[in-house]
Order: sequence, then structure tokens, then C-alpha cells
Amino acid sequence: GENVEQHPSTLSVQEGDSAVIKCTYSDSASNYFPWYKQELGKRPQLIIDIRSNVGEKKDQRIAVTLNKTAKHFSLHITETQPEDSAVYFCAALKADTDKLIFGTGTRLQVFP
Amino acid sequence: KAGVTQTPRYLIKTRGQQVTLSCSPISGHRSVSWYQQTPGQGLQFLFEYFSETQRNKGNFPGRFSGRQFSNSRSEMNVSTLELGDSALYLCASSTPASEQYFGPGTRLTVT
Repeated sequence: GENVEQHPSTLSVQEGDSAVIKCTYSDSASNYFPWYKQELGKRPQLIIDIRSNVGEKKDQRIAVTLNKTAKHFSLHITETQPEDSAVYFCAALKADTDKLIFGTGTRLQVFP
Repeated sequence: KAGVTQTPRYLIKTRGQQVTLSCSPISGHRSVSWYQQTPGQGLQFLFEYFSETQRNKGNFPGRFSGRQFSNSRSEMNVSTLELGDSALYLCASSTPASEQYFGPGTRLTVT
């Protein structure tokens, strides 16, 4: 079935360090992989995404990598700041649908 | 462009009642998807609509239903509410197979 596993569930880092969150998807028909950041009491906000025809994408301090063969994709945040503290969700979308399957979320805490 | 809006933002209902939630997508977006968010289950897909047609449905009982209107606005309905239906209900709009933008959600509390 369709499933997205996400690890770790919690992650604590010191300000300035890097953070990496990893996801694995099961449906090989998935072709779009967004990452959302959700702050407490707010809606999920898209921070970066990647399509299956690309292996890596970067936007300032945030990067996402995709390994289609292994069905893995990862979020990398460099030079973390306290305002990066939030819950991060990965997701996979099946081709020709708008059905997002979400990972279980990672609570990131960045300590000053 | 205005973002995705959802009404109402908060609802308190009692078991057995029914509820209707509304979602207005970003102008020009014809796809609307609904998700349930709970602390225990995370973000779970409910259903998605495109051009007034339900294209996919998640693993929720038949008490959960929805529809989409010709202006792309969407509603979801939950009948015979149970305590376990307490959650944040999020809708998201997009152009097909593209970035989904979430609304602020409707927080439903069932007592």
C-alpha cells in the first residue's frame, strides 16, 4: 500500500549545526515530493519540493535529495536558526492524483 | 492572490451530530484536497476533488463525505460524529499534480 516513513520523530540541534530528516516511500508511482513546515497552531507551509526527474534541489539553507532507486528522500537544513524550530512533514504524491501521503512528522528544536 | 480560506475556524459539536466544513481555494485552483490532522495519526488524506468530481478517497468511513461546486469551493460533511473525529481538518488547493497550499484549518471538537 501507500506509505511514507519519516525519521527521526524528534531532532534537537544547536544553532548553527545541520539537521537532516529522512523519508522512505513505498509507492513507486510517486513522482512529487514536497516538504512542509508547520509551526505551532499554524497551517503547514511548503518549504521545498522535488520531482522524480531531479536528484537534488537547493534553496538557500535548505536542500532536498531524492534517490528513486532506494525510494528515499531527505531534507537538509544547514546553519540552523531558532526560527527553524517546527514540525517538518515529508510527503509523496502519486502521479495523476492530488493525493498526498504524509510522513509522521519530525519535531525539530534548535537551541540557541 | 488571496490564500485558501476555511470556515468555520472552530467548532464544538456533540456526539451524534453532523457538521459541514467549507473550503475556498486560491483563485484559479481547481483541485481541492482534504486532510485530517490529529496528534496520534498525523496528517491523513480524506479525499480530493477536481472539477466537481471526487478523484480519490482515503481510508475513512462513509460518515465522511464531500463535494465540490462549480466555482471550485468544496465542503466536507461528517455525520454521526464520534469523539475520535476531534481533529484539525485542513483543505489544500492546487493546480493538478502541483504544489498544494493549505488553508488555516477548522478545529473540530466533539464532546
